Amino acid sequence: GQQLNQSPQSMFIQEGEDVSMNCTSSSIFNTWLWYKQDPGEGPVLLIALYKAGELTSNGRLTAQFGITRKDSFLNISASIPSDVGIYFCAGQLNAGGTSYGKLTFGQGTILTVHP
Amino acid sequence: DAGVIQSPRHEVTEMGQEVTLRCKPISGHNSLFWYRQTMMRGLELLIYFNNNVPIDDSGMPEDRFSAKMPNASFSTLKIQPSEPRDSAVYFCASSHDIGRVNQPQHFGDGTRLSIL
Repeated sequence: GQQLNQSPQSMFIQEGEDVSMNCTSSSIFNTWLWYKQDPGEGPVLLIALYKAGELTSNGRLTAQFGITRKDSFLNISASIPSDVGIYFCAGQLNAGGTSYGKLTFGQGTILTVHP
Repeated sequence: DAGVIQSPRHEVTEMGQEVTLRCKPISGHNSLFWYRQTMMRGLELLIYFNNNVPIDDSGMPEDRFSAKMPNASFSTLKIQPSEPRDSAVYFCASSHDIGRVNQPQHFGDGTRLSIL
C-alpha cells in the first residue's frame, strides 16, 4: 500500500527561526494536505494543495505540491511559541481504485519552539 | 459553524465492557471517517461512509469493532468486547463528497479511550 515518509520526526528551534518539513511518497497523490494537531485536540487543516507544482501560502505558512506528485513540503517562517504542535502531511487520491478518497498520513513532525 | 462533534471526550472502562463512541459530522457533509491514533501506528483509517453507506471497512482491526451511520448527522463506533490494546484516541472526520477535489476532511477533537 501507499506509504508516506515525513521528516524530520522532531524539531527544536528558537522563536523567530524558519522551519521546513517534508513528505515523500512511494506513489502519486493528486491532493496533499497539511494538518496541525495540538495536545488533546484533533488535527486542524492548515493548507490544501490540489495541483502538481502548486505553491500555496496561509499567513506564515507556505506549502508546495511536488511536480512529481510524490512529495510536498511545508515551511513556517518566523516561528512563534504557538506554532508548537505536531504537523502531519496527508495524501489523497481523488480517482478510482481501492484508495479512492482515503487519506494516507505521514508519521508527524513534533515541533518545539523555545521562546 | 459547528465542527465535527465527538462524545465522550474521555472514556475509561474495564476490559470486556462494550464501548460506544459517537460522532456528529459537520452539517451538509456526506462523507464520514473513523480514525484511530496511537503512538506506535500513528493515524489509521478504520472505516468510512459516503451518504450513510459504509464504503471501506478494511481498516477495522477485527470483528469486535463495528460502525454504523443510521442517518446523515450521526455515527457510532462500537467495540465489544473491549481489550486493553484498544486504548487509543479515536477521531471522527467529515467532508463533502468523498474524493472530490477541494473537499478536505475536517476532524473532531477525538475520544481518548482507556481500557483497563
